[in-house]
Amino acid sequence: ETGVTQTPRHLVMGMTNKKSLKCEQHLGHNAMYWYKQSAKKPLELMFVYSLEERVENNSVPSRFSPECPNSSHLFLHLHTLQPEDSALYLCASSQVQTKTEAFFGQGTRLTVV
Amino acid sequence: AQSVTQPDIHITVSEGASLELRCNYSYGATPYLFWYVQSPGQGLQLLLKYFSGDTLVQGIKGFEAEFKRSQSSFNLRKPSVHWSDAAEYFCAVGAVGNDMRFGAGTRLTVKP
Repeated sequence: ETGVTQTPRHLVMGMTNKKSLKCEQHLGHNAMYWYKQSAKKPLELMFVYSLEERVENNSVPSRFSPECPNSSHLFLHLHTLQPEDSALYLCASSQVQTKTEAFFGQGTRLTVV
Repeated sequence: AQSVTQPDIHITVSEGASLELRCNYSYGATPYLFWYVQSPGQGLQLLLKYFSGDTLVQGIKGFEAEFKRSQSSFNLRKPSVHWSDAAEYFCAVGAVGNDMRFGAGTRLTVKP
């Protein structure tokens, strides 16, 4: 248990569906991240929220839409995904402006059919 | 921009043998360096971290890593590998106010 909780753990969705991934951290951190982990590819940073403001969007397609309503919660809204979007989606949190590591959730395994 | 290279995609060692996983980084200032481990289907767990001071850092599960500024390296070591160490290992670099950058990972297989 790292203090970062992701739900659901597994998700299968059709290409026309709309779904959301949820991440919650109980560590009092002020930055949250979405990473995508595909087989045989490096960990890809998708979005960064610092103090509830999006500070980075690494050219992620618009079919992925993040939302950070407060410093403890982060969502990734999904719509009209492609099969190549199937991956493990990892959420992490950290405390910016301090020397600290990122803490990761266990991830959501997404399969797009 | 900061970046991390893990030259070995896959390493196989025998149980009880020593282990060294390589990590090289590129960063303009003194970086903060991390090693994470990921078991199948799980998130990343921090093994150890280096911020400053002693260049040899000890982590959990008997792992250690050495920061060598002259070589821009932060290699992970363990003197005797256990079967439960089989996993994916990620090196990462970060700095205050910046997000972390991860290497591509090294998959460790342990032979009986």
